[in-house]
Amino acid sequence: DAGVIQSPRHEVTEMGQEVTLRCKPISGHDYLFWYRQTMMRGLELLIYFNNNVPIDDSGMPEDRFSAKMPNASFSTLKIQPSEPRDSAVYFCASSLALSRSYNEQFFGPGTRLTVL
Amino acid sequence: AQKVTQAQTEISVVEKEDVTLDCVYETRDTTYYLFWYKQPPSGELVFLIRRNSFDEQNEISGRYSWNFQKSTSSFNFTITASQVVDSAVYFCALSGGSGTYKYIFGTGTRLKVLA
Repeated sequence: DAGVIQSPRHEVTEMGQEVTLRCKPISGHDYLFWYRQTMMRGLELLIYFNNNVPIDDSGMPEDRFSAKMPNASFSTLKIQPSEPRDSAVYFCASSLALSRSYNEQFFGPGTRLTVL
Repeated sequence: AQKVTQAQTEISVVEKEDVTLDCVYETRDTTYYLFWYKQPPSGELVFLIRRNSFDEQNEISGRYSWNFQKSTSSFNFTITASQVVDSAVYFCALSGGSGTYKYIFGTGTRLKVLA
């Protein structure tokens, strides 16, 4: 399996622009997670989906952030408008949750976002 | 509330030394899961181990070993005979048993192994 795929790997944009980050989870996994990593705040869970349905978006910082999962093999995280404080590495992860079992999350390589 | 504490921000050792990374957790759940991940300089997060709250057996995998002690709420990670390739940031994470799949990550420990 190719693992979790994220694109782009690097994104540089100017303040006010819309940014869309993309994620393809591991085939067959039914959970998908979006994280943000910064020096100040560490690894933060933004939102996660189960079977394409958002379960918990309490970590989404503000209305400028939105996430969708239109099908089992694709998810997007959108920031509109972007601000310099959104600069971070954004990770997507997926996992296969068997009944009553918590399986590890597999992470993508991340997207390094820089907002100027 | 759930919490993971990795008190060691950075550790430096000389190659071939043994090193232990500490992880202390807080949870009110009776069923929970603990994880360790490695983040090398290239940036990806690599899964190392999962342990559930009902299994206190220590685990060894090559040079890596893990010591889970519920009595002290700790899940420590030891690297024996460290190598330069072990240089990375190591994260401990906790997942609760209350029907949630959310991870609570510690702040990470940066390990530098010097040749």
